[in-house]
Amino acid sequence: KAGVTQTPRYLIKTRGQQVTLSCSPISGHRSVSWYQQTPGQGLQFLFEYFSETQRNKGNFPGRFSGRQFSNSRSEMNVSTLELGDSALYLCASRRAVSTDTQYFGPGTRLTVL
Amino acid sequence: GENVEQHPSTLSVQEGDSAVIKCTYSDSASNYFPWYKQELGKRPQLIIDIRSNVGEKKDQRIAVTLNKTAKHFSLHITETQPEDSAVYFCAASDNQGGKLIFGQGTELSVKP
Repeated sequence: KAGVTQTPRYLIKTRGQQVTLSCSPISGHRSVSWYQQTPGQGLQFLFEYFSETQRNKGNFPGRFSGRQFSNSRSEMNVSTLELGDSALYLCASRRAVSTDTQYFGPGTRLTVL
Repeated sequence: GENVEQHPSTLSVQEGDSAVIKCTYSDSASNYFPWYKQELGKRPQLIIDIRSNVGEKKDQRIAVTLNKTAKHFSLHITETQPEDSAVYFCAASDNQGGKLIFGQGTELSVKP
């Protein structure tokens, strides 16, 4: 079974631009969570989607948003990019909200110049 | 608020020695505690997890212990090998499951 995939793997943007990242979960998994990983802050939870609905949200500004499609694929969007948004963005999928184990994708490395 | 503290931040051991990484969580509602291993440039990989109704779990050279009263959980790696070198993260979540709160990570170096 294929693992979690994320596209693109690398992105370079400039301040003020917006960006959309994509995550395809493991087949049959319906929950997708997003995390930001930086050297200074570590791994921080952004949000979780299940059945196209946001179930939980972390402490990030409204510039960070996401959505989930009927096939469980998820996208996250960051508007008005800031230098501090440079990070590795990881998504993780799990089968259902009743199961715990999350499997991570390879991440998207975003660099904001 | 929710917080997970992890120690030490770096750990260097000789091949064949044991390594222990400790975490403390703050949210009493936490009931699921996974450990992830992340090699340089790779995705975090789940290596073992434990739920609050279990005090200890073992998988070959890896074991995790949980003390719910003290809100502590630990990762134990025995007979370490150079390929164990990586950053290890502990995490905690509540019944919602989808929100993992991570520790800051431990960089483990196993010297041959």
